[in-house]
Amino acid sequence: DADVTQTPRNRITKTGKRIMLECSQTKGHDRMYWYRQDPGLGLRLIYYSFDVKDINKGEISDGYSVSRQAQAKFSLSLESAIPNQTALYFCATSDTATGGEFYEQYFGPGTRLTVT
Amino acid sequence: DAKTTQPPSMDCAEGRAANLPCNHSTISGNEYVYWYRQIHSQGPQYIIHGLKNNETNEMASLIITEDRKSSTLILPHATLRDTAVYYCIVRPYYNTDKLIFGTGTRLQVFP
Repeated sequence: DADVTQTPRNRITKTGKRIMLECSQTKGHDRMYWYRQDPGLGLRLIYYSFDVKDINKGEISDGYSVSRQAQAKFSLSLESAIPNQTALYFCATSDTATGGEFYEQYFGPGTRLTVT
Repeated sequence: DAKTTQPPSMDCAEGRAANLPCNHSTISGNEYVYWYRQIHSQGPQYIIHGLKNNETNEMASLIITEDRKSSTLILPHATLRDTAVYYCIVRPYYNTDKLIFGTGTRLQVFP
């Protein structure tokens, strides 16, 4: 089974609808992240969470909200979807760095969202 | 975080070494160089990282110039499955809150 799972994998929705993307991980990591990727571009950070009580905005958080329901679950919501939120969305996790150790980020398979 | 510059695309014959360059001329002393790759819209995958010494693991080698202003990722024997977008990222080793992805290099391995 995959360590980081995302549901749904594909979603088509209409403008103005509320939609939630879910991420679950079995790696036991404290840190979780949401990124979006537009065609031909690199990933951009939307939100990240260092633990259940710690939520931080990334570089493009407008129009999005998140919920960290448990250590293993991190959800991304679009309150009122708009067409320019059509993108590929990735969830990632990483362990907590202590003493300067490097911990890589592990990515989920992505959710392809289309807003019409 | 320091900015990186990579060529937009490269080709490599299967079985040959693929050498992917990255320029990071504004890198500071506490910043590491990381490489990730993304195979056809899958989630990015960590490859390797380094500070100033050359590094090698089972996937690749990382060569960092002495002045640390540039680096090269080497896939010693490229296979078709190595066709992907390769991202070079520079950031402090203690900064694990985010990765800043550029547009990367699209490597096409051909038979």
